[in-house]
Amino acid sequence: QVQLVQSGSELKKPGASVKVSCKASGYIFINYGMSWVRQAPGQGLEWMGWINAKTGNSTYGQGFTGRFVFSLDMSGSTAYLEISSLKAEDTAVYYCARLRPSIVVVPTGRGWFDSWGQGTLVTVSS
Amino acid sequence: QSPLIQPASVSGSPGQSITISCTGTSSDVGGYNYVSWYQQYPGKAPKLLIYGVDDRPSGVSNRFSGSRSGNTASLTISGLQAEDEADYYCSSYTSTNSYVFGTGTKVTVL
Repeated sequence: QVQLVQSGSELKKPGASVKVSCKASGYIFINYGMSWVRQAPGQGLEWMGWINAKTGNSTYGQGFTGRFVFSLDMSGSTAYLEISSLKAEDTAVYYCARLRPSIVVVPTGRGWFDSWGQGTLVTVSS
Repeated sequence: QSPLIQPASVSGSPGQSITISCTGTSSDVGGYNYVSWYQQYPGKAPKLLIYGVDDRPSGVSNRFSGSRSGNTASLTISGLQAEDEADYYCSSYTSTNSYVFGTGTKVTVL
C-alpha cells in the first residue's frame, strides 16, 4: 500500500534552514506528483506547491516563492522541502501529499491529494 | 488566492444528516471537476474522503457524499456517528494552476 513517511520534528532558530524529507513506498515514485501543504498551529490547510517527480519541475503557490525549495532523490523515492531564512511564522506542521491522478495520465498536476505523510512539526524559536 | 469559504462549525445528533458547504468561484470550484474533501482528526494527517466532486475512494464509508451546484460544493454526512467528529476541508484546483483549500469546518456530534 502507498506510504509516505516524513522526517521527525525540528526546532530551529530564526534565520536557520530546515530540510524535511518524505519517503514514498508502495508505488512507482516517478509516476506521481508530490505536493506540500502547511498547517500553522490551530489553523487550516495551505497549499504550498507541487513537484513533478518525473521531470523535477516545481510549481510554487502564492507566498511560497524564494525561501521554499522542493527537490527529489529519485533513486531513494524521497521528496524534500527546504525552507531557508526561517521566521517565527514558519512554525507549522508540514505535510507531503501524493497527487492523483498519475502525471502519466494528467501531466499538468490537476487532481487531488490521495495519500498523506504523517506531518513534520517545524518550530522556529530563539 | 483566497480560501474557499466553509462554515466554521456544523453540528448534528447521531443518526442525522449534515451538510457542509464550500463556496468558491468560477475560477475554482465552479470551473473544474477537481473538488475534493478531507477529514482531519486533531494531531493527525488529513484523509481523502471525496474526489472529482462526487467520487469516493475505496474504503471510505458511503455515508459520505459530495455534490456541487454552481460555485458551491457540498459534503453530506448521513447517519452521523460519534467517529465523524473531526475537521473537514474542501479543496479545488484553480485557474492559476494552483490549489486552494477551504477555511475548514469543525463537525460536532451532539
